[in-house]
Amino acid sequence: AQSVTQLGSHVSVSEGALVLLRCNYSSSVPPYLFWYVQYPNQGLQLLLKYTTGATLVKGINGFEAEFKKSETSFHLTKPSAHMSDAAEYFCAVSSTTGNQFYFGTGTSLTVIP
Amino acid sequence: EPEVTQTPSHQVTQMGQEVILRCVPISNHLYFYWYRQILGQKVEFLVSFYNNEISEKSEIFDDQFSVERPDGSNFTLKIRSTKLEDSAMYFCASRAGLAGSGANVLTFGAGSRLTVL
Repeated sequence: AQSVTQLGSHVSVSEGALVLLRCNYSSSVPPYLFWYVQYPNQGLQLLLKYTTGATLVKGINGFEAEFKKSETSFHLTKPSAHMSDAAEYFCAVSSTTGNQFYFGTGTSLTVIP
Repeated sequence: EPEVTQTPSHQVTQMGQEVILRCVPISNHLYFYWYRQILGQKVEFLVSFYNNEISEKSEIFDDQFSVERPDGSNFTLKIRSTKLEDSAMYFCASRAGLAGSGANVLTFGAGSRLTVL
């Protein structure tokens, strides 16, 4: 069985500050891990994914995430927040068959000017 | 950039009415999904569809729900007799399922907001 836990349903950062959104997963098999972003009144857009290979993955809009197997984590970071980063962020896990994705409860990011 | 399109973007219906939500997945994708998101809550899996049949479904996907791929391009979700608690945003998604780096990436549509009165 697979599941995802996102710590912190709401995160506020100042513009220009580091963004850190936490995600821990549970999986009995090697997982595929994803971060999706949802802007207001829009669908979910893929930010980045980890499937195999390099554990530090870079995504769109300057975001990156690192897969740490020992910590079962896949935290999302961005060195410097922009106002346009304000959105809901979802971490997701799937098995390598990919037939079902499990989403976390989401983290709402607020960027303070 | 290929995209998943969903219609309608917003539907208001009376409790007990039937609703059909439509989706056009990316043309060369093989796996199709419906998810829903009740306001302020997590994104929940409803059903996955492959090779013209349901491959997996959640507990939420009970007898009032059905899915269909009627014509090789559309993928529909039907709710037979809507309840108040069916009010949610419904997302369609598809994935290629073929070999390659994009095989297991879900591409989502913008969603259909269903309001049941």
